[in-house]
Parts: sequence; structure tokens; C-alpha cells
Amino acid sequence: NAGVTQTPKFQVLKTGQSMTLQCAQDMNHEYMSWYRQDPGMGLRLIHYSVGAGITDQGEVPNGYNVSRSTTEDFPLRLLSAAPSQTSVYFCASSSPGQVYGYTFGSGTRLTVV
Amino acid sequence: AQSVTQLGSHVSVSEGALVLLRCNYSSSVPPYLFWYVQYPNQGLQLLLKYTSAATLVKGINGFEAEFKKSETSFHLTKPSAHMSDAAEYFCAVSEGGNNRLAFGKGNQVVVIP
Repeated sequence: NAGVTQTPKFQVLKTGQSMTLQCAQDMNHEYMSWYRQDPGMGLRLIHYSVGAGITDQGEVPNGYNVSRSTTEDFPLRLLSAAPSQTSVYFCASSSPGQVYGYTFGSGTRLTVV
Repeated sequence: AQSVTQLGSHVSVSEGALVLLRCNYSSSVPPYLFWYVQYPNQGLQLLLKYTSAATLVKGINGFEAEFKKSETSFHLTKPSAHMSDAAEYFCAVSEGGNNRLAFGKGNQVVVIP
């Protein structure tokens, strides 16, 4: 049981490049979310999904796209990377009601130069 | 909208002393409340959660928190700090267990020998 798996762990991008951060969970959780963590800011919600085919915007969605074609996968796409997107990105999953809380991945550290 | 306030970004505590981290929340419906811990270069680990059952919640590693509706608070305590408690701690809220977690800005705990 791997939990929530994020790839890659580290990435350096040039300004304007695009990339996809991968997130997969094997717990059959309906809820999945993406957060970014910046020093002194806590974690801020980018996008979230309540099930396959259903996504919605969080607090800081600009510059990011998501899709949810399966229950297991929830990739985050950076369309045209900017230095302001330098951050640590966390994917998380949960079941409705969050009886067991959210399970977080180990994060992707992204640097945009 | 749901939100969390954590005061004091850095908290220093002597080994063996009480650990007290304060969390106040705002929620328009009965909240679900969480404390997460993050060790350096790692993801977030659930310490404990409140989901409308007992107001005094016990978590892992000797931590506990008390939900006080009248004070809109969910403060985290541990009677005796250990060196291994040095980490960053985040309080988070979701409204009625929805799929959106709002995090506080975190407390960096330093344990002084």
C-alpha cells in the first residue's frame, strides 16, 4: 500500500516551459487536492476534485490546470512556468467526511529560473 | 469562508517543558479540525483530528488538542517536549468535512536542550 505517490521529487524549469506534476493514490479515495507551500504562507489550495471527472478551483489556481480521468490519478499541469511558481507542491487524498484526515504525498520541489 | 489563524511563526520550548500551539478558526458550519506535523524535507503527517465527536482529542506522539466552540479554538498541547518534537506544525480546518482544507501559516517549533 503506497498511499499517495508524487513524481518527480525535484524539478528545475526555465521560464515559459510547461510540465506536469504527477500524483497517484491507491486507497480508492474520492477526494484529491493540490497544494503549494511557500515559506511563511502555510499551504494554499490550488485545485481539488471530489471524484473522477469533477474538478474545481481552490485559492490560487492561476497558471495551473488539472484533470481527473480516473479515481487514482490527479495530475497538475503548469502551462507556462513563471518564477512565482517556485514552490513545494503537495498532493493529498481523502474520503468524504475526512474521517481519517487527508493523506499527503512527499512533495515535489519545483524551481523556475 | 473557512480560515485558520496561528500566531507566532517560531516557538521555542525547553526540553521537558509544556508545548502549547494556538489555533483559532473561522467556519460558517460545524468544522472539522486537524493538526499536521512536518519534519524537514518531508510531507505532512496527521497528528490528530476533530470531527464532531469528543472535544478532547488525543493524537500521536503524546499530543492532544481541545475543541472549544465558544472560543473558536483548537489549541495543541504536549506536557513535556522532546528533542524529536522539533518540526513545523500546521492547524487546518474544513467546513463540515468538505474537500477543501484551509491551513494556518504554521509554527516552527525549536526545542532547546
